[in-house]
Amino acid sequence: EVQLLESGGGLIQPGGSLRLSCAASGFTFKRYAMSWVRQAPGKGLEWVSAIRSSGDAVHYVDSVKGRFTISRDNSENTLYLQMNSLRAEDTAIYYCAKEELETTVVFGYSFDLWGQGVLVTVSS
Amino acid sequence: EIVMTQSPATLSVSPGERATLSCRATPRLDNNYLAWYQQRPGQPPRLLIFDTSTRATGIPARFSGSGSGADFTLTIGSLQSEDFAIYYCQQYNSWPLTFGGGTKVEIK
Repeated sequence: EVQLLESGGGLIQPGGSLRLSCAASGFTFKRYAMSWVRQAPGKGLEWVSAIRSSGDAVHYVDSVKGRFTISRDNSENTLYLQMNSLRAEDTAIYYCAKEELETTVVFGYSFDLWGQGVLVTVSS
Repeated sequence: EIVMTQSPATLSVSPGERATLSCRATPRLDNNYLAWYQQRPGQPPRLLIFDTSTRATGIPARFSGSGSGADFTLTIGSLQSEDFAIYYCQQYNSWPLTFGGGTKVEIK
């Protein structure tokens, strides 16, 4: 079955750190760029970060630059998001998402597969 | 950053009627890199349309996309009960990738 399964969410105090994981199955993970997209409670979607299929290029939204790090392990079919210096405004459901287009160089496209999401709550 | 503005925020439609949702890009896109997603309560988004007008795999023909430059449209030809949801547009013309604020399609 083609799926993405996130884990690692929870309640964390402001200033704390958390690492999210996304396990991919049912497709050739190493051929696709991946992203993290978040959704604050009752709000819309916000793209957070993307990583090229090979893992050698990344992009971030300005609000997380210097605090979040995206990475991947193609041998383990897993995507990661290391989140440091967490703030209340980072509270959201975090989705991992697979790009629709199989690419090796240019990336940043639409997303045809999403995980169910994991909730991150930043609160004291 | 490209700002995506969706209108209206809420659209009230009767089952069987047509729904037309709008998405405006500022600044305008210089290609057709625009996608539409549907999100039902408690569910992740589902890709409906990519590259402005290409339906994703398994998406019914009542969903269609059009537009260019700054103005894009998602049309749902005849609303079914399962179509009442929130719809988001997304541009992938340039980084950062950005989404519109969403249009909620509700039963009239």
